[in-house]
Amino acid sequence: EVQLVASGGGLVQPGGSLRLSCAASGFTLSSYAMSWVRQAPGKGLEWVSVISSSGDNTYYAASVKGRFTISRDNSKNTLYLQMNSLRAEDTAVYYCAKQSAGNCYSSIDYWGQGTLVTVSS
Amino acid sequence: DIVMTQSPDSLAVSLGERATINCKSSQSVLYSSNNKNYLVWYQQKPGQPPKLLVYWASTRESGVPDRFSGSGSGTDFTLTISSLQAEDVAVYYCQQHYSVPFTFGPGTKVDIK
Repeated sequence: EVQLVASGGGLVQPGGSLRLSCAASGFTLSSYAMSWVRQAPGKGLEWVSVISSSGDNTYYAASVKGRFTISRDNSKNTLYLQMNSLRAEDTAVYYCAKQSAGNCYSSIDYWGQGTLVTVSS
Repeated sequence: DIVMTQSPDSLAVSLGERATINCKSSQSVLYSSNNKNYLVWYQQKPGQPPKLLVYWASTRESGVPDRFSGSGSGTDFTLTISSLQAEDVAVYYCQQHYSVPFTFGPGTKVDIK
C-alpha cells in the first residue's frame, strides 16, 4: 500500500524557514517523480514543485521560485521541500504527491495527508 | 501559463441523477507525438487529500466506480457522474500536466439537491 507521510509543518514568522519532509513507503521511490501541492485554508489546489525520479530535473511555481527548493533522498525514501523567506501567503496545507512515472510530466496518482504551514507573527 | 477554468462553480443534483462538470484550458493540452491529453480529474472530500479519478482525460483510475467518466480533447473536457451517490459529495478539480506550471482549475463543488 502506498503511503506518503508529510511532516515538518508548523507556525513560523514571516521571513523564516521550514523544511518539510515526506516519508514514502509501499513503492520504489526512486522510480517515480514526486510533487508538492498546497492548499490555502478554504481555497483550491496550487501546484508548487516537481522533481524527477533521479532528481536531475526540478520545476517550480513562479510564486515560490527562488525561495523553495525541492529535493529527494531515494536511499532514505524521503522527499523534501526547503522553504525560505516565508510569507503570509505561503500559509497552506502542503501535500506531497507521487506521480505515475519517473518524468516530471506524468500525472499525480497518489496524495499524502498533508502538513499545515502557518506563516504569522 | 495555461489557465484552467471550470464550470459551474457549484451544482446540486438529486441522488441518482447526472452531474456534469466542464473544464477548459487556455491552450491545447493534447500532445501530438502520443495523441494524449495531459488532463486529469481529482475528487476532494472535506478534510481529505485529493484522489485521482481520471487520467489522460478519459481513462478511469483503477478502483474508481464506472459512474465516473471523462471526455474531451484539446481544450475542452468534461467529467460526468452518471448517477450521483451520496458519497460523491466533494469538490472536483481538473489539472493539466502538459506544461509547467501544472495548473489546476478552481474546483467545482458537488452537493445533493
